[in-house]
Amino acid sequence: ETGVTQTPRHLVMGMTNKKSLKCEQHLGHNAMYWYKQSAKKPLELMFVYNFKEQTENNSVPSRFSPECPNSSHLFLHLHTLQPEDSALYLCASSQPSLYNEQFFGPGTRLTVL
Amino acid sequence: DAKTTQPTSMDCAEGRAANLPCNHSTISGNEYVYWYRQIHSQGPQYIIHGLKNNETNEMASLIITEDRKSSTLILPHATLRDTAVYYCIVRPSRGSQGNLIFGKGTKLSVKP
Repeated sequence: ETGVTQTPRHLVMGMTNKKSLKCEQHLGHNAMYWYKQSAKKPLELMFVYNFKEQTENNSVPSRFSPECPNSSHLFLHLHTLQPEDSALYLCASSQPSLYNEQFFGPGTRLTVL
Repeated sequence: DAKTTQPTSMDCAEGRAANLPCNHSTISGNEYVYWYRQIHSQGPQYIIHGLKNNETNEMASLIITEDRKSSTLILPHATLRDTAVYYCIVRPSRGSQGNLIFGKGTKLSVKP
């Protein structure tokens, strides 16, 4: 595997379910990111991790809970989501210094019923 | 909010150069201009970035005006696979990551 991978690629869940999105990067990077892309809206940054430490939470509701156990893996734990949380969730990674380009995964298409 | 202005959409004939403009009139001296693109149902892909000099790589060229208030991304020989939304981003200087703030981008359609 190369680059940034995300699983699952598609997920349908009910509002009472608990699920997790997984991201893995094989680029040796130390910064990882979660973005949300809703229909017809720009990408929105959700969380930033730098050397496994969360350095940014962009006012994300607590029903989204990130976890970064090591520099290669990033999770987004989901619980009691709302239908408006349906979106494409994208993971990215980069070297943790200013102005380095970010490499994105293919995303998880989430549908909340 | 994004600090750039781009046309909503553009068309380009296959094999011709695609010139995508971007206005960033409030750019500050230490901010870079980045270009990403997003092909339908995929994650964004880095293309190129620059500060004030023109830049070229295997994907594209970036022309930045002398006053740095605007730039143009050039795809020299557009193919059908270049159909995508192209994002021009001014990299903010706040924080340790210089976070990317995406706008709505330009939807480029390359036609045969």
